[in-house]
Amino acid sequence: QQQVKQSPQSLIVQKGGISIINCAYENTAFDYFPWYQQFPGKGPALLIAIRPDVSEKKEGRFTISFNKSAKQFSLHIMDSQPGDSATYFCAASMVSGSTGTASKLTFGTGTRLQVTL
Amino acid sequence: KAGVTQTPRYLIKTRGQQVTLSCSPISGHRSVSWYQQTPGQGLQFLFEYFSETQRNKGNFPGRFSGRQFSNSRSEMNVSTLELGDSALYLCASSSQGGLVEQYFGPGTRLTVT
Repeated sequence: QQQVKQSPQSLIVQKGGISIINCAYENTAFDYFPWYQQFPGKGPALLIAIRPDVSEKKEGRFTISFNKSAKQFSLHIMDSQPGDSATYFCAASMVSGSTGTASKLTFGTGTRLQVTL
Repeated sequence: KAGVTQTPRYLIKTRGQQVTLSCSPISGHRSVSWYQQTPGQGLQFLFEYFSETQRNKGNFPGRFSGRQFSNSRSEMNVSTLELGDSALYLCASSSQGGLVEQYFGPGTRLTVT
C-alpha cells in the first residue's frame, strides 16, 4: 500500500524557473514531512522539513507548502539552477513522543528534476 | 562532524550466500535506521535500532536482520541472498532530544548474481 504519492515522476525546468513537486499522503497520523535530494551515487540528503502546525516553511530557494485538510504537501524550488538537477523524494513519518525522533520514513516514488540552461 | 559512513560501498554476492553491511552513525547519534532502495520499489524502511534495541521494523522477510552495538554502530545481515535483494542499502542516523532529522550515508550497492 503506497501511503505517499508523489508527482510528477520527472520534471524539466528552465534555469531561473520554478520547480514544483507534489505529494499526497493517506495516514493522518503522519506528523513530520521531510524532503530529500539525491544525486546519483549518493545517499539522500535532507533538504527541508515541516511539521503540520505550520502551512509553509521557507529555507532559501526551497519552500514547503502544507495543506493538512487535503493531506497534501509540495516543494517549490525558486530560481531553479542546473545544480538542482537531482531526484527529489518527499517522505512522511510519525514523531515519537518519547524520543523526538522520526524513524520509519515512508517515501514517495521520487521526482527526477532536470534544470536546463 | 563526520557524516554517516557505510562499508563496504560495493559488494557482489552469489545467490544463497549471506552478507553483512556496516554503518557508523554521526557521532552522538543513537538511532540508526536501514533502508533498501531499488528502481522498482523505491526507498523502503527495513528497521531501526536505538540503544542496541530494535525499535521499528518494516515489512521485510526474516532473512533481513540487524543489530546495534554499544557504540551505536550498526550492522545489517541478509541471509540466503536472492536476485531481488540487489539494491542500494542505505543507513540513516538521528539523535535523540528534539531533533527529528535523519541523515543518510552514501549506501552500500549490493549486487546478487
